[in-house]
Amino acid sequence: GAVVSQHPSWVICKSGTSVKIECRSLDFQATTMFWYRQFPKQSLMLMATSNEGSKATYEQGVEKDKFLINHASLTLSTLTVTSAHPEDSSFYICSASRDRGTGELFFGEGSRLTVL
Amino acid sequence: AQSVTQPDIHITVSEGASLELRCNYSYGATPYLFWYVQSPGQGLQLLLKYFSGDTLVQGIKGFEAEFKRSQSSFNLRKPSVHWSDAAEYFCAVGPAGAAGNKLTFGGGTRVLVKP
Repeated sequence: GAVVSQHPSWVICKSGTSVKIECRSLDFQATTMFWYRQFPKQSLMLMATSNEGSKATYEQGVEKDKFLINHASLTLSTLTVTSAHPEDSSFYICSASRDRGTGELFFGEGSRLTVL
Repeated sequence: AQSVTQPDIHITVSEGASLELRCNYSYGATPYLFWYVQSPGQGLQLLLKYFSGDTLVQGIKGFEAEFKRSQSSFNLRKPSVHWSDAAEYFCAVGPAGAAGNKLTFGGGTRVLVKP
């Protein structure tokens, strides 16, 4: 099956620092990856769509200068939380699309960010 | 705009009993429909999906779901629950046939299994 891996699985950082989270498709090429944010006991909220070789498309209300997304290759997308603050603490999940138009997504394990 | 509603936030079921999780959606056309399961602190795993054809779809781990167009529903069922089925379940919809696979998720239903 298709495998998507996120790294790190958890990270603790100080307020004001930047944190980078990686999302890799291990056994397939993903032209599109998605980044979600999940608050405790809540659903996934789509933050942005990451397209290989082009700029990410952000959902309404998501600050693109705060959540930098880079999709430099067909197997790697990164989310950088810049100048992190405690309110950015959350569970971030990525997903990758293997087959265009099928709607099926493969999810990473998630990355828990805690900002002190 | 599309939306997905999972009316039950929590469901507690005894091990061996049957389980049904409700999902209703609002969409401009017939969407692609999915059920995902999430264990604590983990990503999501696909249980099953509906694209077209037979409205009763079989998934992994003994789950099945039925698409009812007239009711805009896609309820998930399992005849006999195992303790390992305790998790969070998400229903999701996506645009049929479109590129991008952008999904909208329901609020989730947390399933607790009593011994």
